[in-house]
Amino acid sequence: NAGVTQTPKFRILKIGQSMTLQCTQDMNHNYMYWYRQDPGMGLKLIYYSVGAGITDKGEVPNGYNVSRSTTEDFPLRLELAAPSQTSVYFCASSSTGTVDEQYFGPGTRLTVT
Amino acid sequence: GQQVMQIPQYQHVQEGEDFTTYCNSSTTLSNIQWYKQRPGGHPVFLIQLVKSGEVKKQKRLTFQFGEAKKNSSLHITATQTTDVGTYFCAGGGNYKLTFGKGTLLTVNP
Repeated sequence: NAGVTQTPKFRILKIGQSMTLQCTQDMNHNYMYWYRQDPGMGLKLIYYSVGAGITDKGEVPNGYNVSRSTTEDFPLRLELAAPSQTSVYFCASSSTGTVDEQYFGPGTRLTVT
Repeated sequence: GQQVMQIPQYQHVQEGEDFTTYCNSSTTLSNIQWYKQRPGGHPVFLIQLVKSGEVKKQKRLTFQFGEAKKNSSLHITATQTTDVGTYFCAGGGNYKLTFGKGTLLTVNP
């Protein structure tokens, strides 16, 4: 089991560019999450999904979009990147929602300049 | 919305000293989870507490969930250099977790 994998590990974007952060899990988990982590600010939920075809906004969804066409994949799309989106992005998955532990990917460190 | 506050933000200890981090929620929680993140790493699940007043132990780590299910604590006895990292609590509810800002623990050998 690879668990939760994320690509790329690092990326530098120019202001206004777009990109997709990839997230894949091989544990057949229904629940998947995208977080961003800024220094000293903990983890903030961007979007989450409770199953294929179902997504919902978290605490900080502005500037991002997601899709969930399969159980395994949950890509995060950044449109018109802004410096405020400089952060570390973590994808996570769990089997049964918040009563179950979340497994985190290794993260993507994104810089927007 | 639900808010989870965690204190202290930072804690520096000498190896062998004890460490405690506290977590408080603005609302009653259905459950609380604790995670550890090593520097440069990703959060890793430590434990989950569900019942009011629950206490769980993992070797030198003791986790407590308050009677009102609005607060929790993590206590480490006799810290070691391997305990270095950020400890997060996360309150559960409505399909998602709300994370505290974490406590960064550094240990001087």
